[in-house]
Amino acid sequence: GIQVEQSPPDLILQEGANSTLRCNFSDSVNNLQWFHQNPWGQLINLFYIPSGTKQNGRLSATTVATERYSLLYISSSQTTDSGVYFCAVGTQGGSEKLVFGKGTKLTVNP
Amino acid sequence: GAGVSQTPSNKVTEKGKYVELRCDPISGHTALYWYRQSLGQGPEFLIYFQGTGAADDSGLPNDRFFAVRPEGSVSTLKIQRTERGDSAVYLCASRLKAGAGNEQFFGPGTRLTVL
Repeated sequence: GIQVEQSPPDLILQEGANSTLRCNFSDSVNNLQWFHQNPWGQLINLFYIPSGTKQNGRLSATTVATERYSLLYISSSQTTDSGVYFCAVGTQGGSEKLVFGKGTKLTVNP
Repeated sequence: GAGVSQTPSNKVTEKGKYVELRCDPISGHTALYWYRQSLGQGPEFLIYFQGTGAADDSGLPNDRFFAVRPEGSVSTLKIQRTERGDSAVYLCASRLKAGAGNEQFFGPGTRLTVL
């Protein structure tokens, strides 16, 4: 099945810093979602982005489907950005289930 | 409510017991998924419903796990003869329909602990 790799596994920032999280996947996808899992375990939808670029406030994401990677940018980080960021992909047909990476654990210190 | 809801939020049971976990999807969403998340890992797919039928149950680990969605809305995940290795957070997600352009939305999960 499709493989999803996220990097870095851990990231520690000072408040106000910028960061880039990467997601590589091993096959063509028709669905790619970025999630933030907060300290209470809730998965929060950030972006649905199988291709192209989107922006939402301090967050933006880019997926280059032909090269099988996606990037999540966080600018001017805040302590509330702390948590685990997951990339998840789905392939066309069948259940279109999501296959998740292992996540990037982000800690933003004040 | 507007989002996916799951009950109970926490469940502690003893090895060998039977448990049921409930998921209430977003109203009007026809596609429903169950995932399981172990500590330090990303969620892993268990089963997918399109309407009332289980269209893909390839992620269920063994025949102790079963899920139903009798009226095409609420779903129940059932685990028989629980084992300590079943301890995890069980997540439910719903989606308006299958196909491109439709993202999955997750509930808050049920944390299952098998003693």
